[in-house]
Amino acid sequence: QMQVVESGGGVVQPTRSLRLSCATSGFVFSNYGFHWVRQAPGKGLEWVAVISHDGETKFYADSVKSRFTIYRDNSKDALYLQMRALSGEDTAVYYCAKSQNGMGYQSGMDVWGPGTMVTVS
Amino acid sequence: DIRMTQYPSSVSASVGDRVTITCRASQGITTWVAWYQQKPGRAPKFLVYAASRLQTGVPSRFSGSGSGTEFTLTISSLQPEDIGTYFCQQTNSLPFTFGPGTKVHVK
Repeated sequence: QMQVVESGGGVVQPTRSLRLSCATSGFVFSNYGFHWVRQAPGKGLEWVAVISHDGETKFYADSVKSRFTIYRDNSKDALYLQMRALSGEDTAVYYCAKSQNGMGYQSGMDVWGPGTMVTVS
Repeated sequence: DIRMTQYPSSVSASVGDRVTITCRASQGITTWVAWYQQKPGRAPKFLVYAASRLQTGVPSRFSGSGSGTEFTLTISSLQPEDIGTYFCQQTNSLPFTFGPGTKVHVK
């Protein structure tokens, strides 16, 4: 069964850093692109970043560009999101989501984790 | 950025009713739209991709259609377990924007 599980959330002070992890199982991790999507309390979904299957191609939302870094370790079947210079606007549940294809473009997100809460306060 | 709008923002219908949710893109995105269902406190669930392709395991009462700038998600016969918020998303071009969501209630 395909599964992804996020970890690393918590309460962090403004301007500090935090790294989120996403552990995966049940599929060939290195074949697929991955996304991070976040949801502020009571709000809608916001796409954050995407990484290709080989880690070579990455794109970010303007709201996090230059502060967040998405990367992956295909030897560990794991995805990461390094977050820096955090502010209250980054408070949200962060979801890791598997793309249907290797690039993350023109496809859906077919497997989602339960999310990890990040509170900047 | 491509802006995705959805309407209605909420809908209340009876069990067995047909429910239609519309998503409009600010520019043409061919058929690169996906739909997700989210229940309170849970992660989104993938329903439809490429505008009209049903994800494996999704009940056949769900269907998607559309191309260009206008897309619809239809629930042909609403069931109690269908309550939640439905989001559309475009993956045609960066950033991959979501619609604001449509809340579905059962009367």
